[in-house]
Formats: sequence, structure tokens, C-alpha cells
Amino acid sequence: EPEVTQTPSHQVTQMGQEVILRCVPISNHLYFYWYRQILGQKVEFLVSFYNNEISEKSEIFDDQFSVERPDGSNFTLKIRSTKLEDSAMYFCASSERGRARGEQYFGPGTRLTVT
Amino acid sequence: AQSVSQHNHHVILSEAASLELGCNYSYGGTVNLFWYVQYPGQHLQLLLKYFSGDPLVKGIKGFEAEFIKSKFSFNLRKPSVQWSDTAEYFCAVNGGGTASKLTFGTGTRLQVTL
Repeated sequence: EPEVTQTPSHQVTQMGQEVILRCVPISNHLYFYWYRQILGQKVEFLVSFYNNEISEKSEIFDDQFSVERPDGSNFTLKIRSTKLEDSAMYFCASSERGRARGEQYFGPGTRLTVT
Repeated sequence: AQSVSQHNHHVILSEAASLELGCNYSYGGTVNLFWYVQYPGQHLQLLLKYFSGDPLVKGIKGFEAEFIKSKFSFNLRKPSVQWSDTAEYFCAVNGGGTASKLTFGTGTRLQVTL
């Protein structure tokens, strides 16, 4: 069964450094998402992406965050200057359809630790 | 703004016991409802979903959920749990139409003992 994959599984970085989290969505999917989960808290929506542009973003997704689909397979989340509070599990998801009924398939997550 | 509440944070059951996990949502319009499961060390996987029609929906692994519109609830049930059901369970909602982002509850950790 096709899966969403994410790399790395764990990233440790120092405050102020840039990080890029990578995702490979399912190949025929057109809609891509990033979510995050701070330890002990809810999974929170960050951003959705379709047709090479952001469809929707949350208030968490400020100017420090950006997303890109640099080629036909990868979908990346960049955090320009990490803060301690960015430490979380980051999940990528993809769906075939963007409307509400499109099932979102999640990757295993990248644990980001900012020290 | 939409929100989801899961009242049980940690549930411990013996094998063969029945399970019911509560989920209530707050949303002003048409909703689609989901239960996701995360087994230890694995991805979030969709257990079941409700879009419309029969409010009792059946999912994988013997799970079912009932949408009760008047109570804004979508509780997850299983008549007889197994040790392999030990996992974290998340209720989620999105709006009808084009609003596709999922809003999750805080999750319920289910521990099934032998």
C-alpha cells in the first residue's frame, strides 16, 4: 500500500538555525498538508498546499515557516530560525482530493528538538 | 472556530471488555467526522469516517462510531477489545465544502491488558 514518508525521523537543532523537514507524499495525490503536535498537546493544522501554492494556513504558520514542492515528489517544510517552542512532532499528509471528503494519509512524523 | 473534545485521556481495559471513547465537536455548519488511530511507533491511520447518511458507521478492525447530531457527538465503540488495540485514538473534524483542514481532539490513550 502506498505510504507517505518523512525524513528525517528525528532532527535536533540549535535555536536560531534553519531546518528543512522533508516529505514524499503518495504519488498520485495533489493536496498536501503539514500538521504538528507539541508533546502532550493536540495535533494542529499548519498549512495546506495545492497547485504549487498555499491553500490555507493557520495562525501558527507565520513568516518563519515556508513550504515548497521543489520537484515532482518532495514536499518540504522550512523553519527559518527555530525557536524552543518549535519543538514538536511534525506530520505531513496528502490526499487525492482537496475537498473535505478527501481522506488524508499521514506520514510517520519528524520529531524536531530545538535546544 | 471548530473544536473537538475528547474527555477520556487515558483508558485502561482488560481484553474482551467493551470500549466507548467519547468525542464532542463544536462547529457551525456541516461537518465530516473522523477517528484516527496511532499504534506505537506508527503513523496516524484512518479508522473510520462519517460524511452523511447512516449515522452508524463501521470502520476497520471491528470499530464503529455513531454520529448523534443533537449531541454534537461521534463516539467510538468496539464490543470486545484486543491487546493489539493498544494505541492512541484521535477524533477529528473538518467542515463540509472545500475546508479540508482537520481539527483534532487531544487524543485518548487506550491500554489493553491481558
